Amino acid sequence: QKEVEQDPGPLSVPEGAIVSLNCTYSNSAFQYFMWYRQYSRKGPELLMYTYSSGNKEDGRFTAQVDKSSKYISLFIRDSQPSDSATYLCAMAGTASKLTFGTGTRLQVTL
Amino acid sequence: KAGVTQTPRYLIKTRGQQVTLSCSPISGHRSVSWYQQTPGQGLQFLFEYFSETQRNKGNFPGRFSGRQFSNSRSEMNVSTLELGDSALYLCASSVQGYYEQYFGPGTRLTVT
Repeated sequence: QKEVEQDPGPLSVPEGAIVSLNCTYSNSAFQYFMWYRQYSRKGPELLMYTYSSGNKEDGRFTAQVDKSSKYISLFIRDSQPSDSATYLCAMAGTASKLTFGTGTRLQVTL
Repeated sequence: KAGVTQTPRYLIKTRGQQVTLSCSPISGHRSVSWYQQTPGQGLQFLFEYFSETQRNKGNFPGRFSGRQFSNSRSEMNVSTLELGDSALYLCASSVQGYYEQYFGPGTRLTVT
């Protein structure tokens, strides 16, 4: 079983929809939770990071962490075609090593 | 501020050869991490360097090695290339390591 599980999708939504992306994990030592966006043939781009449990909002993006359930989410409001990309969750404990989910491919259609 | 740069962007090598990839971190960042990305395994951590010392290492064979220079630039080397080494190799930099890592565009290595 992988330490981080993420549905690979693809997830297709119409423009303007609210998108929910999720990851589950098994390692209780994870304290830092990140979301990256990766466009085709590009490196991952850091969207948001959260420490421990709670919510964090940045523009159209909201990240949620529920450590008791070992579950993290990224919500994208008012989705745009430019949001079409692969979204990767990543986690870290006390060591500077990121453990990634396999990524969810998102397609926002006109 | 300039982002993380990686050279070369594309490489084609033959089995048994060796290869060296280069990464220049964001100015002021002292930590450089390397990751391998493949369709089957996703992103996997190779190793991390901080102030010229390897601080963490992933579960890759000894054919994968790296180093960091005093200006924080880093190189990774893969010896005796295998077909399975074909991947996108990504470098990420951060100020101290840990969570806030910024990635370069990657080097796409193809082994034939």
